[in-house]
Amino acid sequence: GENVEQHPSTLSVQEGDSAVIKCTYSDSASNYFPWYKQELGKRPQLIIDIRSNVGEKKDQRIAVTLNKTAKHFSLHITETQPEDSAVYFCAARTYNQGGKLIFGQGTELSVKP
Amino acid sequence: KAGVTQTPRYLIKTRGQQVTLSCSPISGHRSVSWYQQTPGQGLQFLFEYFSETQRNKGNFPGRFSGRQFSNSRSEMNVSTLELGDSALYLCASSLISGSEETQYFGPGTRLLVL
Repeated sequence: GENVEQHPSTLSVQEGDSAVIKCTYSDSASNYFPWYKQELGKRPQLIIDIRSNVGEKKDQRIAVTLNKTAKHFSLHITETQPEDSAVYFCAARTYNQGGKLIFGQGTELSVKP
Repeated sequence: KAGVTQTPRYLIKTRGQQVTLSCSPISGHRSVSWYQQTPGQGLQFLFEYFSETQRNKGNFPGRFSGRQFSNSRSEMNVSTLELGDSALYLCASSLISGSEETQYFGPGTRLLVL
């Protein structure tokens, strides 16, 4: 079955710097890759997603890139702000698995003012 | 539109008991998935229901079960609770059961087993 690995597990940056979180997946049939942000005590919130027919997607300060050949995808946050501090999860879904999302282990991002 | 809601938000049970958690999806959404979140194992898929049928199942023992009603509300049940079942249980809804469908999460039910 699908396996998703996420790195790093913790990331500390200065306000204004960029942050990059990387994930690799094992199932070449995976075709949907969302990223969720979870603040302490709150629900995971979708921040951006990408489908396998697209190589890159951007939404203001957040971007995701997908390399299907290498089976990895990355989250890029530019001009980080203290409110970006949270745990970020990547996930992958295989085309014949309906709603089943396989999550990475999460990255705790800390943005220092 | 109201978001995904879950009840109860917090539960304390003892070993051996059983528990039922409820999830109401976003209006119009027909797919409900359940996940278990723990510090050690992260977010793990339990099962997905679509149109009252279980579509997918994760690697959890048979003590974990669920169902979906005609109004798309879903319940999950855990029988013979173990200490290791202490976790945040999240449900997520999407319009249909498709591989490219966006899932929206509820606030979760935090279960503590003593």
